[in-house]
Amino acid sequence: GAGVSQSPRYKVAKRGQDVALRCDPISGHVSLFWYQQALGQGPEFLTYFQNEAQLDKSGLPSDRFFAERPEGSVSTLKIQRTQQEDSAVYLCASSLEGEGDFGPGTRLTVT
Amino acid sequence: AQKVTQAQTEISVVEKEDVTLDCVYETRDTTYYLFWYKQPPSGELVFLIRRNSFDEQNEISGRYSWNFQKSTSSFNFTITASQVVDSAVYFCALPSGGSNYKLTFGKGTLLTVNP
Repeated sequence: GAGVSQSPRYKVAKRGQDVALRCDPISGHVSLFWYQQALGQGPEFLTYFQNEAQLDKSGLPSDRFFAERPEGSVSTLKIQRTQQEDSAVYLCASSLEGEGDFGPGTRLTVT
Repeated sequence: AQKVTQAQTEISVVEKEDVTLDCVYETRDTTYYLFWYKQPPSGELVFLIRRNSFDEQNEISGRYSWNFQKSTSSFNFTITASQVVDSAVYFCALPSGGSNYKLTFGKGTLLTVNP
């Protein structure tokens, strides 16, 4: 069956631009997570949703980062006024319970 | 705070060799889970195993095996008779804050299996 999909797969943004990254979880998966993975590093937790409720946003690095999941399915991670340090792969995962199924990620490059 | 150390940044082996990837962790939790993920060049993280700290028995799944030593806080991963398709970055991870979703990952070990 279809796994977690993310779009776009690659995004180049000029410093100061806003970007929106989309995650389509596996149908029926209640939990959804976002992680940020800098080059050569392990993923770092950003935020967690259970259905449409954002239960944990402790990993969001600044108030320029915002995530939503309004209908408990698709989620969008928005980054305002992008900075070079935002360059990373953004991974989304969903799960019914327990460990998540990860998507392929969106590679964001801020120039 | 949780911490996961994967001291081996890169490992290169020849096909059919056995290889062990090390993982050492720190946690103040008395019970916890440990995870291994594989990240092939395509980028997605592929779940390999979740282990409960109560269970210290070694686990084997095909060519993969895991050795959990609570006394040394290690959870090492061995691939037997490695294949080119095993080439990937492998991550060890530990949930933080009592959650089962907020994983703390190590920096990963890049495994290259040469034909």
